[in-house]
Amino acid sequence: DGGITQSPKYLFRKEGQNVTLSCEQNLNHDAMYWYRQDPGQGLRLIYYSQIVNDFQKGDIAEGYSVSREKKESFPLTVTSAQKNPTAFYLCASSAPRAGGSTDTQYFGPGTRLTVL
Amino acid sequence: GQQVMQIPQYQHVQEGEDFTTYCNSSTTLSNIQWYKQRPGGHPVFLIQLVKSGEVKKQKRLTFQFGEAKKNSSLHITATQTTDVGTYFCAGLRAGGTSYGKLTFGQGTILTVHP
Repeated sequence: DGGITQSPKYLFRKEGQNVTLSCEQNLNHDAMYWYRQDPGQGLRLIYYSQIVNDFQKGDIAEGYSVSREKKESFPLTVTSAQKNPTAFYLCASSAPRAGGSTDTQYFGPGTRLTVL
Repeated sequence: GQQVMQIPQYQHVQEGEDFTTYCNSSTTLSNIQWYKQRPGGHPVFLIQLVKSGEVKKQKRLTFQFGEAKKNSSLHITATQTTDVGTYFCAGLRAGGTSYGKLTFGQGTILTVHP
């Protein structure tokens, strides 16, 4: 059964602690993305990766870090430098087409992070 | 940077009424996608529009892409309670080097009263 998994669904952390959110996909997609969603807000791009061992900052990368050591996995670390980390985090993947076009983004179920 | 504005932010309708959400980009788009997010869920792809002036229909949903490829709309005819959720547009900037990088609108939250 193909798809994207994110774990855990809910996560609580104390202020000042780093936390890593998991994202795994078995869709064989090259591109993966991390978004942040705040209540009543749209999706803001944190980081994205077009290929293994490569990633780029999105619009709100400060206080976050990522790695892309495997095609299937794109973990996101929320560091203590992120001033307002409480949010809903969504991971997505897509299979970009040649010529700069873009394909459908498939989203995982999300992780709701609360920093106390 | 590229901005995608979506209006209205909220829309409350009675079941059976029509609904429209509008999306405007600050830059010309290569294509635009629409997603639906049910309450408590994650965004799910609805459709992609690529051509100038393109119109696509999915049952009661009609999607349009403007002639200048800078705006788009989603119209739902005779809403049902199953249409409840947040509708997002997402655009890919034309001629950009950000391969596959979409910019999402803020979304329109639709509430349907039975």
